[in-house]
Amino acid sequence: GAVVSQHPSWVICKSGTSVKIECRSLDFQATTMFWYRQFPKQSLMLMATSNEGSKATYEQGVEKDKFLINHASLTLSTLTVTSAHPEDSSFYICSARVTGDNSYEQYFGPGTRLTVT
Amino acid sequence: GQNIDQPTEMTATEGAIVQINCTYQTSGFNGLFWYQQHAGEAPTFLSYNVLDGLEEKGRFSSFLSRSKGYSYLLLKELQMKDSASYLCAVRASTSNYGQNFVFGPGTRLSVLP
Repeated sequence: GAVVSQHPSWVICKSGTSVKIECRSLDFQATTMFWYRQFPKQSLMLMATSNEGSKATYEQGVEKDKFLINHASLTLSTLTVTSAHPEDSSFYICSARVTGDNSYEQYFGPGTRLTVT
Repeated sequence: GQNIDQPTEMTATEGAIVQINCTYQTSGFNGLFWYQQHAGEAPTFLSYNVLDGLEEKGRFSSFLSRSKGYSYLLLKELQMKDSASYLCAVRASTSNYGQNFVFGPGTRLSVLP
């Protein structure tokens, strides 16, 4: 149980275009999902916390107009990287917390590798 | 804010025991997690400590001392497949700018035959 999927697993896009990444909880409901970014040989950096039915909470330094997050249902959150630049190339990972679970455990998706050319 | 520190790299021999340390500074501490991450893959959950003491789970054990801001992950009977990065993450109950779950830099463990 507690499986999280991401789509696509990898994507290459041209500079200036937008890319949408989906994060789905397959067998549980997730009121809260998290979006992380990881550069090579670095740790995960939390970008934003996505809450179903409300606006996402962004970490300091993360541009909310560039990284659009929509959490429209209890099983789906999307991250759209708008006007992508080569420096946005990274490994984007989402995680989800089971609704009502007080252990605060997060279940991670397999990640999406974005390359902007 | 939160500050988490881990050794960058460690090397150990197959069959041995290795201890990976994590020190942290945070306000409103509300739990410490350990994750394993193989290259190019997402992290997988290993352990969660919120109270002082040792939590044992098979070959993996995790220890927490809240007063010292210190945790360690102990791996026994090392196997080649244990070569991975080990991430310490701290959760705080108070947050500014929504930050309430912070990962440490990770420790890259290499297990040698």
